[in-house]
Amino acid sequence: GQNIDQPTEMTATEGAIVQINCTYQTSGFNGLFWYQQHAGEAPTFLSYNVLDGLEEKGRFSSFLSRSKGYSYLLLKELQMKDSASYLCAPMDSNYQLIWGAGTKLIIKP
Amino acid sequence: GAVVSQHPSRVICKSGTSVKIECRSLDFQATTMFWYRQFPKKSLMLMATSNEGSKATYEQGVEKDKFLINHASLTLSTLTVTSAHPEDSSFYICSARGTDRDTEAFFGQGTRLTVV
Repeated sequence: GQNIDQPTEMTATEGAIVQINCTYQTSGFNGLFWYQQHAGEAPTFLSYNVLDGLEEKGRFSSFLSRSKGYSYLLLKELQMKDSASYLCAPMDSNYQLIWGAGTKLIIKP
Repeated sequence: GAVVSQHPSRVICKSGTSVKIECRSLDFQATTMFWYRQFPKKSLMLMATSNEGSKATYEQGVEKDKFLINHASLTLSTLTVTSAHPEDSSFYICSARGTDRDTEAFFGQGTRLTVV
């Protein structure tokens, strides 16, 4: 079957760095997306990885290892507004996004 | 990024009535649109995938006669919840994708449906 494994919840301090890990199993693979979702709102796109390695975009970076079925999202210089759920969503062979429940990130002052 | 507009953002309706939710891609042509529902603290659940001009493909367990999807143009898809019941109360979200299947899907703002 297809599944996503992310920690349910993480807590970090404002100004610090946090890494959210994601392992996945899919039928085929056409890249992996990270989305941010604030409570009561729709997800917003953060990053897309299709090749192994690190993609950096401002305070956010995303890493992919296809052989290990592993990705992480790295958030630097954390701000209070980063408190949200972070969704790891790989795309399967049918170009369908596979969604897990996401990781709720709590930022403390 | 591209803009997807979903309307209404909130709706309260009486049990037994129907509700239509619109999803529009404002600055690109959405070849494919996806409809999700999400319960609190749960993952997005794909309800159906629609391609412009063709019938929607529904996921297993989703009643196509209850959740009517129309994707008549490259910029508009609608979801109609027919004969709504309180258990249909949920957060409904659409997303749209252009012609390249391996690009990100852009999400609408979501619709909070409450059936009383």
